[in-house]
Amino acid sequence: NAGVMQNPRHLVRRRGQEARLRCSPMKGHSHVYWYRQLPEEGLKFMVYLQKENIIDESGMPKERFSAEFPKEGPSILRIQQVVRGDSAAYFCASSPRGGGGETQYFGPGTRLLVL
Amino acid sequence: AQSVTQPDIHITVSEGASLELRCNYSYGATPYLFWYVQSPGQGLQLLLKYFSGDTLVQGIKGFEAEFKRSQSSFNLRKPSVHWSDAAEYFCAKGNFGNEKLTFGTGTRLTIIP
Repeated sequence: NAGVMQNPRHLVRRRGQEARLRCSPMKGHSHVYWYRQLPEEGLKFMVYLQKENIIDESGMPKERFSAEFPKEGPSILRIQQVVRGDSAAYFCASSPRGGGGETQYFGPGTRLLVL
Repeated sequence: AQSVTQPDIHITVSEGASLELRCNYSYGATPYLFWYVQSPGQGLQLLLKYFSGDTLVQGIKGFEAEFKRSQSSFNLRKPSVHWSDAAEYFCAKGNFGNEKLTFGTGTRLTIIP
């Protein structure tokens, strides 16, 4: 049973470019979460999605960041016009159900470097 | 605001020695508590979790944690560490009805021979 998959594992962008990060949840999981880990810090919640719905985006920056989880295909975290401060590891997690308390299974992360 | 505190940024222990990593959380109704481990360049692996019931929780790789409501703590322990336990350890908290996890800043564990 494949775990949570994320690609690319490493992504380099120049300032002003767009970054697209993909996450395929575990089989049977319809709940996806995105977290960001800045250097030397813990993970910070960004957004929680179910298929075709954003449930909680309270951790998303107000500008340049967006997320989707379409009916078919992976979840996408999109960062427009990247800046150096966006350099971080972005982790996706999935769970079979929501409601709080569910174990979230994490992917290996995408490490974004903005030059 | 919810918070999770891991007071020790870095801990060094000898191989074979016992280990305790501290975690304190701000009180919330029905807290769900987790310990994850992250090896360099890797994702997070769940070690154990506490939802309810027995306050001493057994996890993988010989780890255990004890939930103490009176102290708002959920410390991770292992009686004898192995060199392969060197990694970053994160404590996290969730709440009933709220899916997002709040993470501590992590404790980096170094093992010396």
